Amino acid sequence: EPEVTQTPSHQVTQMGQEVILRCVPISNHLYFYWYRQILGQKVEFLVSFYNNEISEKSEIFDDQFSVERPDGSNFTLKIRSTKLEDSAMYFCASRDRGDFTGELFFGEGSRLTVL
Amino acid sequence: QKEVEQDPGPLSVPEGAIVSLNCTYSNSAFQYFMWYRQYSRKGPELLMYTYSSGNKEDGRFTAQVDKSSKYISLFIRDSQPSDSATYLCAMSRFTTSGTYKYIFGTGTRLKVLA
Repeated sequence: EPEVTQTPSHQVTQMGQEVILRCVPISNHLYFYWYRQILGQKVEFLVSFYNNEISEKSEIFDDQFSVERPDGSNFTLKIRSTKLEDSAMYFCASRDRGDFTGELFFGEGSRLTVL
Repeated sequence: QKEVEQDPGPLSVPEGAIVSLNCTYSNSAFQYFMWYRQYSRKGPELLMYTYSSGNKEDGRFTAQVDKSSKYISLFIRDSQPSDSATYLCAMSRFTTSGTYKYIFGTGTRLKVLA
């Protein structure tokens, strides 16, 4: 069964360091998303991406964040200078169609711990 | 006012009980309503989705939407210990950028006791 894969599963970093989280969406999917879930809290929308550009972003997704689809298969989230409050589980998700019958598929998540 | 509100629980029920999970929302632009299930340290998985007011059944699960009250529910019949998970309601609306934006509730943690 096709799935969204994310790496790393867990990353520990020092405050101020750059982090790149990687995602391989399902191959025929067109729409890509990043969500964040701080421990015990809600799943929060960060950004959506379609046709090689950001289509929507939340207020959380400030200048420290960027996304890229560098090679047609990977979809990355970069945090330029991590803060303690960036510690969270980051989920990548993808869907295959513009009409709603496309399910949003989530990866297993990348846990980021900022010390 | 939050766009989507959901009681975080936790909710503990005995095996075989009927479980009722609920969410309210404030934005009438939401068109599609979903329930996701999330096991500990895993990504959410879609359980059910619907786009119209009324009920939709799938096995032991029933999703109910009342657009006039901006209220959605998920009912689980004959609950099993394997149903123990966090249940997230989610809603989506079409955006001016041509995509769907999904907003999630906080999730209700359910524990079904054997």
